[in-house]
Amino acid sequence: GAVVSQHPSWVICKSGTSVKIECRSLDFQATTMFWYRQFPKQSLMLMATSNEGSKATYEQGVEKDKFLINHASLTLSTLTVTSAHPEDSSFYICSARTGAHYGYTFGSGTRLTVV
Amino acid sequence: GNSVTQMEGPVTLSEEAFLTINCTYTATGYPSLFWYVQYPGEGLQLLLKATKADDKGSNKGFEATYRKETTSFHLEKGSVQVSDSAVYFCALSAGAGGTSYGKLTFGQGTILTVHP
Repeated sequence: GAVVSQHPSWVICKSGTSVKIECRSLDFQATTMFWYRQFPKQSLMLMATSNEGSKATYEQGVEKDKFLINHASLTLSTLTVTSAHPEDSSFYICSARTGAHYGYTFGSGTRLTVV
Repeated sequence: GNSVTQMEGPVTLSEEAFLTINCTYTATGYPSLFWYVQYPGEGLQLLLKATKADDKGSNKGFEATYRKETTSFHLEKGSVQVSDSAVYFCALSAGAGGTSYGKLTFGQGTILTVHP
């Protein structure tokens, strides 16, 4: 079945630094990927839709300059949290649409802690 | 806009008990409906889905029926196991033609704990 690999699974960084999270589709091509943020014991909030070869579409209230998304190939999308602050600490999850009938596959998530 | 409402949790059951987690939705058009499960520290896994009214999704003993008349997609399992302990999310994907096409809208999640 379709597999989405997300790395790293966890990362700790200092305030003011940037962190890159990768999301790869291993056995299929993903023209569209989605990035979510999940706060403890809460639901997933869609941050942006990443489209291969074009600019990402951000949801209302999400800072484009802070959460940089790049989808340069059909198998890789990256989310870079720039100038991270403690309030950016969260669980970030990517997903890819895997074809017809609204199939979606999720990565295993990245736990970001900013200290 | 689209929205999904799940029953409040957490839900605590004994092994072999019957499980129901309610889910209702609001959407325009003809959405597809999903249940996802999340184990601690992991991403989401698709549990089951239904793409049109009256469809029943089923997997691993879990079932849910797409009820358009009541805009519901309740999750049920006849006999839960300790290994079913996880967070369960109801979600919908909007139908074609709208600005939300292809995006998943999630409910708030329901924590299930099953005791031996």
